[in-house]
Amino acid sequence: QSVLTQPPSASGTPGQRVTISCSGSSSNIRFNPVNWYQQLPGTAPKVLIYNNNQRPSGVPDRFSGAKSGTSASLAISGLQSEDEADYYCSAWDDSLNAWVFGGGTMLTVL
Amino acid sequence: QVQLQESGPGLVKPSQTLSLTCSVSGGSISRGNYYWSWIRQPAGKGLEWIGRIYPSGSTNYNPSLKSRVSISTDTSKNQFSLDLASVTAADTAVYYCATLELELRAFDCWGQGTLVTVSS
Repeated sequence: QSVLTQPPSASGTPGQRVTISCSGSSSNIRFNPVNWYQQLPGTAPKVLIYNNNQRPSGVPDRFSGAKSGTSASLAISGLQSEDEADYYCSAWDDSLNAWVFGGGTMLTVL
Repeated sequence: QVQLQESGPGLVKPSQTLSLTCSVSGGSISRGNYYWSWIRQPAGKGLEWIGRIYPSGSTNYNPSLKSRVSISTDTSKNQFSLDLASVTAADTAVYYCATLELELRAFDCWGQGTLVTVSS
């Protein structure tokens, strides 16, 4: 069971906007930055969003992150077929003194 | 841009020690604004952080694995390594090495991953 809670699946049609939630606690999300990773099938994860809402260079602005209290979210607008992947949220946990991840959300583009 | 490559046995017997090495190219493992981690992913499951090592040699481990894990660096070879003792089938996973840039506070570079199966 993961420390951060994500829905196991999400879906949308091309062009739609999809949001993926990530729920944590005061020992992780509330006081620490949240990162989001995208894992395409058969590949290593890649950082998509860091520090709650920052995009590394090369990540399209269709991807955005937000945080409020002990929850965070990843929004993908203008959904494309190549966005079909697993998405993971992550944050440092001050109680565990460890990085923790959500269980992952499998995004399907219908 | 740093590149990472994992190497090590793909099959380990139960109760033995799993040992993996991550070779770093394109940058020194001794640079101060990064630290080096191991992360694993059982088939069809999520990511689990194993631990990290700073250039100074200081380490932190996941409490769930702490009693069995050791991470070390070899600066002469620009590598860092993972040892996981007393493995069971539950340790079967793809193991990734990754680096975290302290200003980003995110794992910005990953190896391709290596599958380790624990089986007799």
